[in-house]
Amino acid sequence: SAVISQKPSRDICQRGTSLTIQCQVDSQVTMMFWYRQQPGQSLTLIATANQGSEATYESGFVIDKFPISRPNLTFSTLTVSNMSPEDSSIYLCSAVPGHSYEQYFGPGTRLTVT
Amino acid sequence: TQLLEQSPQFLSIQEGENLTVYCNSSSVFSSLQWYRQEPGEGPVLLVTVVTGGEVKKLKRLTFQFGDARKDSSLHITAAQPGDTGLYLCAGAGEGSNYKLTFGKGTLLTVNP
Repeated sequence: SAVISQKPSRDICQRGTSLTIQCQVDSQVTMMFWYRQQPGQSLTLIATANQGSEATYESGFVIDKFPISRPNLTFSTLTVSNMSPEDSSIYLCSAVPGHSYEQYFGPGTRLTVT
Repeated sequence: TQLLEQSPQFLSIQEGENLTVYCNSSSVFSSLQWYRQEPGEGPVLLVTVVTGGEVKKLKRLTFQFGDARKDSSLHITAAQPGDTGLYLCAGAGEGSNYKLTFGKGTLLTVNP
């Protein structure tokens, strides 16, 4: 398994600003992902955070809006850029340890854009 | 694009009742995972099934993976208020490099 922490846990931001969310895993992991979730709804994959190379984005998500870094096997960041109220959501990171199928999630970052 | 149809979307039952949640797809999955999520927290992994026909039990929860690895079910026996939460199924497609496709979720409320 993997224990994942995220910072901040929540934030209220003004439109037009940017917020960087940090994700730390307690052990080296093979894969890390970033998701978005509206309260009470399912998860939408934003991108795969690749170690040492550019992230792989899903349809509808672009690097300019959601730049991602993954400098090593235990840490990743997601930046939400030039925020608008539509970006208000819960952002979750996840990790796949070793060669397991199992994916573990952080507690999420609740973002409100005013 | 792989889709997972999860049903029902909402379920409100009394303590002690049994329930079943279904996830169905036309696609084959190399593995399927079930999560439970409570408000303000991230999804917590309950179980992973990888073999067609596999049945796993976790106390009062029984998980089944279809023979063709296209569908799965979660059955809860004698539900308790502590079972309340959002249940999510998620499948990893063959060759998907661990990417998960999530169902829309089942919001379960167990009333005392």
